[in-house]
Amino acid sequence: AQTVTQSQPEMSVQEAETVTLSCTYDTSESDYYLFWYKQPPSRQMILVIRQEAYKQQNATENRFSVNFQKAAKSFSLKISDSQLGDAAMYFCAYRQKKKSSGDKLTFGTGTRLAVRP
Amino acid sequence: NAGVTQTPKFRILKIGQSMTLQCTQDMNHNYMYWYRQDPGMGLKLIYYSVGAGITDKGEVPNGYNVSRSTTEDFPLRLELAAPSQTSVYFCASSQGGVQPQHFGDGTRLSIL
Repeated sequence: AQTVTQSQPEMSVQEAETVTLSCTYDTSESDYYLFWYKQPPSRQMILVIRQEAYKQQNATENRFSVNFQKAAKSFSLKISDSQLGDAAMYFCAYRQKKKSSGDKLTFGTGTRLAVRP
Repeated sequence: NAGVTQTPKFRILKIGQSMTLQCTQDMNHNYMYWYRQDPGMGLKLIYYSVGAGITDKGEVPNGYNVSRSTTEDFPLRLELAAPSQTSVYFCASSQGGVQPQHFGDGTRLSIL
């Protein structure tokens, strides 16, 4: 079974600075998807960024980028120019690519990010 | 577009009561999911469905039942509520493939 590990329960960053959230995963599959979701106090689950395992290039979305190291099974999220609105719980998630998997997500336990003004 | 709609948003139940959490999506997605999120934890999959009439167990299915009679609706049933089922419940849907799951706003359920 796949597992996703987020080893940082809490992180803190100064406004306008850069922070990196860590995620590692375990799988025997060679092709899959990885996601970062943001959950603000409103409780919504908001997609931040996604990565396809067969793509070498790291995904970027504005101030958010990932460092995807397939051999190391690592998928970290970098937030540049941090803003107060970035304060939230961040979840890393894994999904198999095989159709028979039902496209189920496996989540990590989350990292709570605080942004200091 | 409403996306994924969950009702109710909050509910308090007594031990042993039953209830149904409603979930509907208007995106014509085949895949639908129910997760629970315990305090300070990630989401765990309860049940999922890959299409109308097809459901399957996830990681934590005990104490729950689901049905999928239409593409749009995927209700979650708690038959005999227990304190261990106090949690926030999320419904999600997906088109499959590279597309991400879209989540509802969650239902906070307390069982006392």
